[in-house]
Formats: sequence, structure tokens, C-alpha cells
Amino acid sequence: EIVLTQSPGTLSLSPGERATLSCRASESVYGNYLAWYQQRPGQVPRLLIYDASRRATGIPDRFSGSGSGTDFTLTISRLEPEDFAIYYCQIYGSSRSTFGQGTKVEIK
Amino acid sequence: QVQLVQSGAEVKKPGASVKVSCKASGYTFIDYYIHWVRQAPGQGLEWMGWINPHSGGTYYAQKFQGRVTITRDTSINTAFMELSSLRSDDTAVYYCARAGGGFGEFFFDYWGQGPLVTVSS
Repeated sequence: EIVLTQSPGTLSLSPGERATLSCRASESVYGNYLAWYQQRPGQVPRLLIYDASRRATGIPDRFSGSGSGTDFTLTISRLEPEDFAIYYCQIYGSSRSTFGQGTKVEIK
Repeated sequence: QVQLVQSGAEVKKPGASVKVSCKASGYTFIDYYIHWVRQAPGQGLEWMGWINPHSGGTYYAQKFQGRVTITRDTSINTAFMELSSLRSDDTAVYYCARAGGGFGEFFFDYWGQGPLVTVSS
């Protein structure tokens, strides 16, 4: 079973700064089938990115996903106040699915 | 608009079972897989399994095999997740989520509101 490791655990940044979140898989991800979700406190997870780099419907273009194989990145180009949240990566593409443990983006 | 509306919060005793429902609307229920994901308080997301509403076929994460049963009733566009032999560490929010594509395209574009299931004596 593939294990996803997200880093850093916590990212302390100011509004307007760039955020770079990493998701590393223990083995190559088939088809680069990797998604990113945002979860604000007390809210349901929201799909941001799927297939490693495709933005979900309604997601602002300051969110972008990249990577392939075992290393994937979520970039938020300029942090808005509403972007301070926890971000999870997820792999799929077979019968099974797995989430990373999450990265918290907090206000510095 | 697509909606997944789940049943309410539950409190159960250790050893009991819980059954959570997930009613879909705004799309053709049998065309999209439904998955279940749980989140313990202050913890991350944990994938549990899925059902193909068209065929009724299921797949469960190894951790939950033997304890979880996912079913559906196409006459009411509703999926169900039953977890048995509950323990205190099963205390969590239980989400249903719609997979955005066909088999294997298991990214989750819509989520239910997720009821809290509390297991306590």
C-alpha cells in the first residue's frame, strides 16, 4: 500500500505570500492520479486539484498542482485570508485510495 | 445542484453498530461511485471504501474489512455505511463523498456534511 507523506506539517506564512506544499508517495503513483483538498476549520473538505494538475470547478487560478511519479506539489501563488486551512493530498486510480496526513497553513 | 445529505449525529456504546445514510440529489445516482471517509477529532482523513450504486459492488479498505458494510437503495437514491463492533477509537465524523469519474477516478467532488458518531460507554 502506497504511503503519502506531506511536508511541512505546518507552514506559517503571511497573506500575499506564496505557499508550496509537498506530497511524496512511497512508490510511483499510477497515472499521476493525485488530488488535493482544502479543509477549513469546521468545514467539509473541498476538492482543489485532481489528476495532479487539473483545477476543480470554481477553484481560483492562484491554486496550482504539479508533479509526477512520487513527488507532487500544491502551490498557492498569493495567500488570501480564506486560504489558511489544512490541505490534504490523496491518491486514487485503482480500487483503493489513501490520504496524506495533511499540511496546516497558518497565519504568521 | 448536487447534494449529499447525511443522517444525524449518533451516540453508541462500545460493541454496538451504527448505520449512516447518504441521500443523493441533483444528479443520476447510479452514474457515480459513493465513497466513505472518516475523520477522528483533530485528525486527518481516512478512506474506508466505496459502492458502485449501479451494480451494488463494493470495496473496503483492509483496515475495515469484516466490520464495515456499504449498501445502497436505488429507489431512494441513498447509500448506507454500517460499522459494527464499535470501539472508542471509531469516534469520528463519517463523510460520504461522490467520486468525480468512472472506476478508478476516485477524486471526490461532492461531500456530505458528515455526522459525528461518538462511541462511549
